[in-house]
Amino acid sequence: DAKTTQPPSMDCAEGRAANLPCNHSTISGNEYVYWYRQIHSQGPQYIIHGLKNNETNEMASLIITEDRKSSTLILPHATLRDTAVYYCIVIPRGGGNKLTFGTGTQLKVEL
Amino acid sequence: GAVVSQHPSRVICKSGTSVKIECRSLDFQATTMFWYRQFPKQSLMLMATSNEGSKATYEQGVEKDKFLINHASLTLSTLTVTSAHPEDSSFYICSASPPGRGLVGGTEAFFGQGTRLTVV
Repeated sequence: DAKTTQPPSMDCAEGRAANLPCNHSTISGNEYVYWYRQIHSQGPQYIIHGLKNNETNEMASLIITEDRKSSTLILPHATLRDTAVYYCIVIPRGGGNKLTFGTGTQLKVEL
Repeated sequence: GAVVSQHPSRVICKSGTSVKIECRSLDFQATTMFWYRQFPKQSLMLMATSNEGSKATYEQGVEKDKFLINHASLTLSTLTVTSAHPEDSSFYICSASPPGRGLVGGTEAFFGQGTRLTVV
């Protein structure tokens, strides 16, 4: 599976958009970009995934660059409850179950 | 959404004893479940794949005789930490995915709430 690179930490003011970047320059054509988050001392939670088109759901938006070498997860109006470690994971088509977690980005949302 | 439940959420045991952790898929059947371990300030590391009706598949470096996995039904997998030692203290998390959800690119994984094991 392709390796991902994320900044170790980010801060965001409550109510503002949180933009979390991820580099996956070695992604192959059949690999999807998945995002999960883990709130402290809880199990991870699925957020969103995509292949090449931008995606949006009730939790977030996912913007994937045209060359698919990077992506950005956007939380449009971050709240304190969004404070968590966010993981960007690249998974082959048909996968999604067996996950290799990197170090992720610790997002801290503050007042 | 699909629900995966772990029990217990916290357990403290004495060194040398065994501890069993249960992972249940509450509203779907799962032929495969996954067990992860997470040490403080580190990421999740996959330990093993639990297969219903057959032997588990362990990741490199994980002792299969120490971490016994049983997947006896389509909704239950158990992880038993045998002869636990303080270095086994960790956060253990299971995951499973409902089959045939129809998502393009596969299905998302659903995680239990985790079990905090402390060996004293």
